[in-house]
Amino acid sequence: AQSVTQPDIHITVSEGASLELRCNYSYGATPYLFWYVQSPGQGLQLLLKYFSGDTLVQGIKGFEAEFKRSQSSFNLRKPSVHWSDAAEYFCAVGAGYGQNFVFGPGTRLSVLP
Amino acid sequence: SQTIHQWPATLVQPVGSPLSLECTVEGTSNPNLYWYRQAAGRGLQLLFYSVGIGQISSEVPQNLSASRPQDRQFILSSKKLLLSDSGFYLCAWSPKEGGTDTQYFGPGTRLTVL
Repeated sequence: AQSVTQPDIHITVSEGASLELRCNYSYGATPYLFWYVQSPGQGLQLLLKYFSGDTLVQGIKGFEAEFKRSQSSFNLRKPSVHWSDAAEYFCAVGAGYGQNFVFGPGTRLSVLP
Repeated sequence: SQTIHQWPATLVQPVGSPLSLECTVEGTSNPNLYWYRQAAGRGLQLLFYSVGIGQISSEVPQNLSASRPQDRQFILSSKKLLLSDSGFYLCAWSPKEGGTDTQYFGPGTRLTVL
């Protein structure tokens, strides 16, 4: 079974600064990888996903993530954070079967003005 | 395009009362459907998933149950709520095509059990 860790529970950055949220996974085969964002009291919105091919994937809202097989990582990045990016971010790994879709514990992002 | 609805958005119920949360999906057919719970300050816990009408799999034994009476309708129920059932309940769907199981989430229902 796969597992996901997000080492940072809470990150605070200043508006305009760059951002990197870490995600590490454990899975025996090539995983399907996802990043979701959740604003307070809202559902989860898909930011981006990786299935195969180019290891650098672009998502919505200016986010990107890079799949590094050697490090079992799928870190999320944004070059310049906006105040509206303050939210909870979840990394997830799938195996192509619904019951094996596993979420990480989440990283809460705060943005200072 | 596909849309997923959940209602009610907010619910306050006394301990021991019944529960019914509804989720419907529009714009797709034969989706996989999921119920998750998110307790305060915690991650997502998969409660139930369904690959078709009347087909329900439970991930965590508890006093909750799920049903899928129609292709795009998924219901979460309880006969008697516990305090520990409080949380944010999210419904999600994924297409069967493609095999990658990308999940799309509804807006959620905030349940408070008093």
